[in-house]
Amino acid sequence: AQSVTQLGSHVSVSEGALVLLRCNYSSSVPPYLFWYVQYPNQGLQLLLKYTSAATLVKGINGFEAEFKKSETSFHLTKPSAHMSDAAEYFCAVSDILTGGGNKLTFGTGTQLKVEL
Amino acid sequence: KAGVTQTPRYLIKTRGQQVTLSCSPISGHRSVSWYQQTPGQGLQFLFEYFSETQRNKGNFPGRFSGRQFSNSRSEMNVSTLELGDSALYLCASSRTADHTGELFFGEGSRLTVL
Repeated sequence: AQSVTQLGSHVSVSEGALVLLRCNYSSSVPPYLFWYVQYPNQGLQLLLKYTSAATLVKGINGFEAEFKKSETSFHLTKPSAHMSDAAEYFCAVSDILTGGGNKLTFGTGTQLKVEL
Repeated sequence: KAGVTQTPRYLIKTRGQQVTLSCSPISGHRSVSWYQQTPGQGLQFLFEYFSETQRNKGNFPGRFSGRQFSNSRSEMNVSTLELGDSALYLCASSRTADHTGELFFGEGSRLTVL
């Protein structure tokens, strides 16, 4: 079964600094990978997704992620953090199920704090 | 375009009771999935429905059940509530029923079991 591991449950950066949130995946087949963001008391919003079309994926709000097969990684980055980026970020992999269907396996999440 | 709507947003129940949560997907989306989110276990897949059929089920006891109606709206039910069922229950819809599609999440129903 596919799985993802997020390194660092809490990350703190200064406003304007680089944001780097780490995600490693485990999959026996080419994975479909996603980054979601969750603001307090809200559901999850898709930031970006990798579906094998391009290794560098650009998402909303200035975020991007690079798929590196050799490192089994899909780290999320943003060049300059903004206070509004403070939220919890989840990496997820789509399970390929016999018979089809949607099922995401999520990492444990990384809480991003942005300080002045 | 309206998003995924979940009702109720907040509810409090006592042990042994049952609860029904509702989810209205985005118009045109036929796949509805449910996830449980807790601080200890994180986000866990409950089940997925497509065209009124349960396609996949997570590793939850039989007290957790769901259904989908012909208009794609879905409900999930938890019977004989336990304290550990306190969680945020998230519903997500998708236009496709394959693993490549993105999920659109509602804001969730926060269940507290006393």
